[in-house]
Amino acid sequence: DVKVTQSSRYLVKRTGEKVFLECVQDMDHENMFWYRQDPGLGLRLIYFSYDVKMKEKGDIPEGYSVSREKKERFSLILESASTNQTSMYLCATSAGELFFGEGSRLTVL
Amino acid sequence: AQSVSQHNHHVILSEAASLELGCNYSYGGTVNLFWYVQYPGQHLQLLLKYFSGDPLVKGIKGFEAEFIKSKFSFNLRKPSVQWSDTAEYFCAVNADDYKLSFGAGTTVTVRA
Repeated sequence: DVKVTQSSRYLVKRTGEKVFLECVQDMDHENMFWYRQDPGLGLRLIYFSYDVKMKEKGDIPEGYSVSREKKERFSLILESASTNQTSMYLCATSAGELFFGEGSRLTVL
Repeated sequence: AQSVSQHNHHVILSEAASLELGCNYSYGGTVNLFWYVQYPGQHLQLLLKYFSGDPLVKGIKGFEAEFIKSKFSFNLRKPSVQWSDTAEYFCAVNADDYKLSFGAGTTVTVRA
């Protein structure tokens, strides 16, 4: 089974803090993704990566950056967290279909 | 970029009722189509997918979906729902790039 592990299930941060969300996959997939999930809006793509050190902006990249130094690890970074970034963040890898992690619920106060 | 529209935000029905969730997309080329499900407290998982071939696709747990190219639709169906089908359902479309675009989701509540 594909395993996608997100480092933190729940985080509470303050406005202006830097936030790191980590994602690790064990299936040697090249493509990795970060989505945010909000009620009534579905999943929206923030960034994706199709290879080590490669990244592409998704539909809502503003306020986020990513890092992919190793194939199995894809990190999402909020340089200065804001309250409108309170959300559920989902990491995924793909091999024809997407495989999701369990999500990281971030609350920014 | 493609967009995905799910017709219903929230559907409530009784056990044994039939379920149909609508999904339309806006892209004129070749697409791959997916339905994902998220049960309460669990991660998203694939219900079924369509890449090519028979437009009627069968998935897990008795779900099926029909791809109608002329209508740009990929509706999900189940003839008889169970209480355990209570979940949020997402339609997703991937066209000619790596990205998968999702609909807003439909919450399905099945009453025992």
